[in-house]
Amino acid sequence: KQEVTQIPAALSVPEGENLVLNCSFTDSAIYNLQWFRQDPGKGLTSLLLIQSSQREQTSGRLNASLDKSSGRSTLYIAASQPGDSATYLCAVYSGGYQKVTFGIGTKLQVIP
Amino acid sequence: KAGVTQTPRYLIKTRGQQVTLSCSPISGHRSVSWYQQTPGQGLQFLFEYFSETQRNKGNFPGRFSGRQFSNSRSEMNVSTLELGDSALYLCASSFGVGLYNEQFFGPGTRLTVL
Repeated sequence: KQEVTQIPAALSVPEGENLVLNCSFTDSAIYNLQWFRQDPGKGLTSLLLIQSSQREQTSGRLNASLDKSSGRSTLYIAASQPGDSATYLCAVYSGGYQKVTFGIGTKLQVIP
Repeated sequence: KAGVTQTPRYLIKTRGQQVTLSCSPISGHRSVSWYQQTPGQGLQFLFEYFSETQRNKGNFPGRFSGRQFSNSRSEMNVSTLELGDSALYLCASSFGVGLYNEQFFGPGTRLTVL
């Protein structure tokens, strides 16, 4: 059974700081991994999708890496802004029946 | 292009009642997936529909059911509501079948069971 862990559960940083969010998974046989952000009471916004054959993906100030062998992915946010404050979730797609497992998320607060 | 829409946005029901939630996918998307989000369990996958057929199912009891129409719109039904069904219900759409396709989420329906 796939288990996904996100550390830390919460993070508070001053504006302008670079930061890294972590996602680890127990079964390395994955199809892909997707990072989302969720604002309070809202749905999920897709940030980056990394295919199992890829090592990283970049979009603007965001960079996500994937290391299947060690069961880890990181989301790097450069020059953080107050608008980045949200909960960040990773989702791992795996299994013979294309199951998805979400982490509980990292709640990020960027202080002006 | 309009995003995924869900109706209603908020619902209050009492135990034992049933409820139907609706989801309209992004135009051209044929896959719709449903998720339940609670503070304790996080996001959990309910089921996926593609071309009016259920293609994938999570570990939820039979009280949770769904269907998809020919225009790809989907409904989710929960019968005999329990207090523990209180949650944010999210649907997501994607172009192809299979959860590994990039998912686009709607704003969710907040269900409160009293």
